[in-house]
Amino acid sequence: DQQVKQNSPSLSVQEGRISILNCDYTNSMFDYFLWYKKYPAEGPTFLISISSIKDKNEDGRFTVFLNKSAKHLSLHIVPSQPGDSAVYFCAARGIPGGTSYGKLTFGQGTILTVHP
Amino acid sequence: DAGITQSPRHKVTETGTPVTLRCHQTENHRYMYWYRQDPGHGLRLIHYSYGVKDTDKGEVSDGYSVSRSKTEDFLLTLESATSSQTSVYFCALRRNLRETQYFGPGTRLLVL
Repeated sequence: DQQVKQNSPSLSVQEGRISILNCDYTNSMFDYFLWYKKYPAEGPTFLISISSIKDKNEDGRFTVFLNKSAKHLSLHIVPSQPGDSAVYFCAARGIPGGTSYGKLTFGQGTILTVHP
Repeated sequence: DAGITQSPRHKVTETGTPVTLRCHQTENHRYMYWYRQDPGHGLRLIHYSYGVKDTDKGEVSDGYSVSRSKTEDFLLTLESATSSQTSVYFCALRRNLRETQYFGPGTRLLVL
């Protein structure tokens, strides 16, 4: 039972254009959503997060949108750069008081390739 | 960089042999986690620790055990390795449950 899903295994984008990575979740018992970026042979690194009480968070070229009614979040990268080529994981954090409090549940990942 | 190291970084072993992976931290984080990463599954939690000698199971704990006898080290043991445990293993840590997790560089394990 995959509670957090990234249905696109890969995405290819031209440099300078927008990259949109999507993530869906099925459980309402999450209070924070995060995006991690992973390069080959390295550990994932935190990119950006959003609280469940917000619908948008922006950090430079990266913006995360949360649609709670649709249980959907997306990561926008504008403009995309070749150095953004990596695997992107979305993750959801369990709410306080729940059985998964503080734990992260990850999606399967999306491989982003940005072509020069 | 939260001062996380993992050892070994690569290991090849045979089915049925015991394997221990080590996660070491230098910054006194309370919470430590072991994940495995597999294609099509993302990162899945194996075990985690919320203090010295305090550990609990994650979603894919079968075939794995952990120990944390001191704050800085979190060990993951495969008692009898199987080919299905071929994977990349990541350690992660955080100071408290409100903070994000920081990941180590990973250990690539191949079980033949």
